[in-house]
Amino acid sequence: GEDVEQSLFLSVREGDSSVINCTYTDSSSTYLYWYKQEPGAGLQLLTYIFSNMDMKQDQRLTVLLNKKDKHLSLRIADTQTGDSAIYFCAESIDQMDTGRRALTFGSGTRLQVQP
Amino acid sequence: DAGVTQSPTHLIKTRGQQVTLRCSPKSGHDTVSWYQQALGQGPQFIFQYYEEEERQRGNFPDRFSGHQFPNYSSELNVNALLLGDSALYLCASSDKSGGKRDTQYFGPGTRLTVL
Repeated sequence: GEDVEQSLFLSVREGDSSVINCTYTDSSSTYLYWYKQEPGAGLQLLTYIFSNMDMKQDQRLTVLLNKKDKHLSLRIADTQTGDSAIYFCAESIDQMDTGRRALTFGSGTRLQVQP
Repeated sequence: DAGVTQSPTHLIKTRGQQVTLRCSPKSGHDTVSWYQQALGQGPQFIFQYYEEEERQRGNFPDRFSGHQFPNYSSELNVNALLLGDSALYLCASSDKSGGKRDTQYFGPGTRLTVL
């Protein structure tokens, strides 16, 4: 079955690096995503990684994927107060009959950045 | 380029009533997915539409139904509202460009309160 788990809360100081972790259970996941949600807003896509990759870097964001342990992490370098938000990990599974996907989300990690 | 839009922004209904939420996908996208996000939780997949048909469905009762129009916009209908239906309803759009990758982009959501 599908299940995505994340820690609930992370607090860092401005300028430090933040690492948000996620574990997933479905080994057939093809893409894994990180979304950001600010208060009262929808979800903003941050980055994604394909399941045959180990790492992806995009400016201040680094995604690491350990397929063996089914562990995904998001590192934010030089964290700013504007990065304070809830971060969701999501997995998608390729639907062979349709080629379209539904996303399964974790419960989110609230990142608090202290000045 | 307009992103995903949803209407209304907020809605208050009473138990037993019916509600219709609307979504316009991002330009060039043909697939619309709906998610329910209860307070403090990650989004839960309701269903997905493309080519004007429901293609996938999550674990939601038949009270939740939808429609997709020829211009790819979509509606989510919920009948016989329950208190537990109070949530943020998110619409996401995607397309099948470049093979099977269909990253989902989210709208700002409709906040439904059932009294």
